[in-house]
Amino acid sequence: DQQVKQNSPSLSVQEGRISILNCDYTNSMFDYFLWYKKYPAEGPTFLISISSIKDKNEDGRFTVFLNKSAKHLSLHIVPSQPGDSAVYFCAATGANSGYALNFGKGTSLLVTP
Amino acid sequence: DAGVIQSPRHEVTEMGQEVTLRCKPISGHNSLFWYRQTMMRGLELLIYFNNNVPIDDSGMPEDRFSAKMPNASFSTLKIQPSEPRDSAVYFCASRPGQGAGGYTFGSGTRLTVV
Repeated sequence: DQQVKQNSPSLSVQEGRISILNCDYTNSMFDYFLWYKKYPAEGPTFLISISSIKDKNEDGRFTVFLNKSAKHLSLHIVPSQPGDSAVYFCAATGANSGYALNFGKGTSLLVTP
Repeated sequence: DAGVIQSPRHEVTEMGQEVTLRCKPISGHNSLFWYRQTMMRGLELLIYFNNNVPIDDSGMPEDRFSAKMPNASFSTLKIQPSEPRDSAVYFCASRPGQGAGGYTFGSGTRLTVV
């Protein structure tokens, strides 16, 4: 059963605009959330994370928001750049699972010039 | 550091054959993970090891799948016999401790079973 869900398989955004990628989770024991970026023929690479004690974490153009009551998180990319075009995976984890990562199916982001 | 090294990068095999995927984690990393990526299921955890000991293999789909970690620098994922539905990209990842951060993924092995 998928405990982490990314309901949008794809997203297209114009360069310079904001990209918003969404993620929902079902397991209330998750207490740490991460976003990974993946280019074709490469492994996922870490982008940004957030602990459940926070509701926002920012790193340059990337911001992750966490709404624990809704079991929802989102990744905002501002401004979007063509090099951001990739598949973005949301992951969630917690101590009770040994901090093994549970991934969503990914959202393919295309940033057009 | 060369990162997590997986071999082969691509594998094409016939149904019924044995397939062995290999992974060399980053030196000093204590945990190793095997993931499988498919269109239908995304990235799913198959098994992970802490200090060479298998901790959770509940994601291994069937008895046809087995994984070993004989030492801290090497792990294998074996499929015997292979089936077309095993076609996927298999990723190995390692992390330095037992917390949530520091994961590094390999480039993956694309397996095609015909």
